[in-house]
Amino acid sequence: DVKVTQSSRYLVKRTGEKVFLECVQDMDHENMFWYRQDPGLGLRLIYFSYDVKMKEKGDIPEGYSVSREKKERFSLILESASTNQTSMYLCASSLDRGRNDEQYFGPGTRLTVT
Amino acid sequence: GENVEQHPSTLSVQEGDSAVIKCTYSDSASNYFPWYKQELGKRPQLIIDIRSNVGEKKDQRIAVTLNKTAKHFSLHITETQPEDSAVYFCAADYTGGGNKLTFGTGTQLKVEL
Repeated sequence: DVKVTQSSRYLVKRTGEKVFLECVQDMDHENMFWYRQDPGLGLRLIYFSYDVKMKEKGDIPEGYSVSREKKERFSLILESASTNQTSMYLCASSLDRGRNDEQYFGPGTRLTVT
Repeated sequence: GENVEQHPSTLSVQEGDSAVIKCTYSDSASNYFPWYKQELGKRPQLIIDIRSNVGEKKDQRIAVTLNKTAKHFSLHITETQPEDSAVYFCAADYTGGGNKLTFGTGTQLKVEL
């Protein structure tokens, strides 16, 4: 059973703070993704990674960066949090870069920036 | 990049009726179309997917159809039940296996008793 966990369910940060969101998967998946989910906008891809130390920009990367030092862990970094980054953040993983597979999502982190 | 439009944004049906959610995509290179269901307070979960070499796929009460010429695909739920109430998201992947999904904006389905 695939398990994707995220470090926090709820997080409150102040404008300008550096924020780290952590995601861990336990199924040796190659692909990992970070999305943000906002009402009426669906899920939007921020960054993704197909391998350790590899990252690619998604559709809305501005204001974010990522780190993947180990295969099972993918971190999302908000360098200087702003109020428009208040959102639900979802991490996901899938098995193999070479094929389309089910993406398994984490429980989400609801981030509030004040 | 890909653009996916999803309609309707909300859908209310009586228990036992059918529900249909429609999506259109822009990039003719898209070849994989999954549907995810997200119950209130839960994470999205895959319920069915279809690849571009197939026109229709069924799994019990759920079916998905794909029209490549018109660039649209639809989710059909028959004999709806209260537990079908959730937000449904369609998605498309144009990366030829890269699993990079563009999601629709979601449909809130409510099944009323």
